[in-house]
Amino acid sequence: EAGVAQSPRYKIIEKRQSVAFWCNPISGHATLYWYQQILGQGPKLLIQFQNNGVVDDSQLPKDRFSAERLKGVDSTLKIQPAKLEDSAVYLCASSAGAFFSPLHFGNGTRLTVT
Amino acid sequence: GENVEQHPSTLSVQEGDSAVIKCTYSDSASNYFPWYKQELGKRPQLIIDIRSNVGEKKDQRIAVTLNKTAKHFSLHITETQPEDSAVYFCAASVGTGNQFYFGTGTSLTVIP
Repeated sequence: EAGVAQSPRYKIIEKRQSVAFWCNPISGHATLYWYQQILGQGPKLLIQFQNNGVVDDSQLPKDRFSAERLKGVDSTLKIQPAKLEDSAVYLCASSAGAFFSPLHFGNGTRLTVT
Repeated sequence: GENVEQHPSTLSVQEGDSAVIKCTYSDSASNYFPWYKQELGKRPQLIIDIRSNVGEKKDQRIAVTLNKTAKHFSLHITETQPEDSAVYFCAASVGTGNQFYFGTGTSLTVIP
């Protein structure tokens, strides 16, 4: 089965610029997650979608971050404007959504804000 | 919400020795506990998982144990090899919402 696809792999921007990340989950996976992983830390959930509805976005900094999952498949995560502390790896993951279904991660996008 | 703590943050073992990583969780409703291995620059990959109705699960050199009463679970790697060197993350999931909470990671180094 094809894995979770993410692009781009790397992005370097200046603070106050905007950036967008794209994710294509495993076919048929209803649940999609965006995680932020700062160097040396565990993944931190930003937002969770079930189909095209939001399940949890309590840790998403909504003044600068936004995410959507149109048609319940692909998803984009946007940061506008970026801050230095947004430098991290942004991981997309998907799950079949059933009980005890594990997460399958993409390769991530490494964002550097200068 | 759920809080997952993981120890130690770094672990070095000699090749062939065993390694143990421990995690605790706070939400008694958590019922699924996967472990992920992340090699440098790569995606986290599932290596083993355990459900709350099981006390122990093994897969070759890897085992996970769960103590629901104490709210802790552990990863055991026996006969460690250099390719086991990576960062390992534990996670706890509350099944109804399929939400996952991760520990802070353990950097394991296996010395040849």
